[in-house]
Amino acid sequence: EAQVTQNPRYLITVTGKKLTVTCSQNMNHEYMSWYRQDPGLGLRQIYYSMNVEVTDKGDVPEGYKVSRKEKRNFPLILESPSPNQTSLYFCATADRVLYEQYFGPGTRLTVT
Amino acid sequence: KQEVTQIPAALSVPEGENLVLNCSFTDSAIYNLQWFRQDPGKGLTSLLLIQSSQREQTSGRLNASLDKSSGRSTLYIAASQPGDSATYLCAVKGGTGNQFYFGTGTSLTVIP
Repeated sequence: EAQVTQNPRYLITVTGKKLTVTCSQNMNHEYMSWYRQDPGLGLRQIYYSMNVEVTDKGDVPEGYKVSRKEKRNFPLILESPSPNQTSLYFCATADRVLYEQYFGPGTRLTVT
Repeated sequence: KQEVTQIPAALSVPEGENLVLNCSFTDSAIYNLQWFRQDPGKGLTSLLLIQSSQREQTSGRLNASLDKSSGRSTLYIAASQPGDSATYLCAVKGGTGNQFYFGTGTSLTVIP
């Protein structure tokens, strides 16, 4: 079954404690992306990757890091989380022909 | 920068009614437009994808149209059902860049 998985699904942490949210896909898609969703602001793209070792900033990259060492994985790293990063995070993938996006189930992050 | 708007933010209709959801975008140079459905606290489910060269796509009771010149897309839902209650989101991919831009969604309630 084609799927995008994210872990963890729920995370409560404290300010400044480094964390990583993993994203993995089995669709052999080259394009992968991270979004955050906040009430009233919709989904905003944080980072995206066109291929292995190729990453670019989206609209809200501050405070986040990503890496793409393998085609199937695209982890999101928060090195020093702050309360304003409390949000619902989604990973998405797409092929580079149609660019039809497929989303993971989401990770709800709370930073206290 | 591309801006995507969805109006109204919320819509309530009686069961059986046909309805139209709107999505507008500021830059007509898009690669594609995708409609999604999101249930509360859940991920995004793709409904329809329209490439920039297409005028409409249909899937079951759903029909999406695209008018690039006016920067608009509509999602038509025929014979609405309570199970259609959800938030509907549209997203566009820019024609030149590699980012995606989302609207803030229309929350639909279908009353039995």
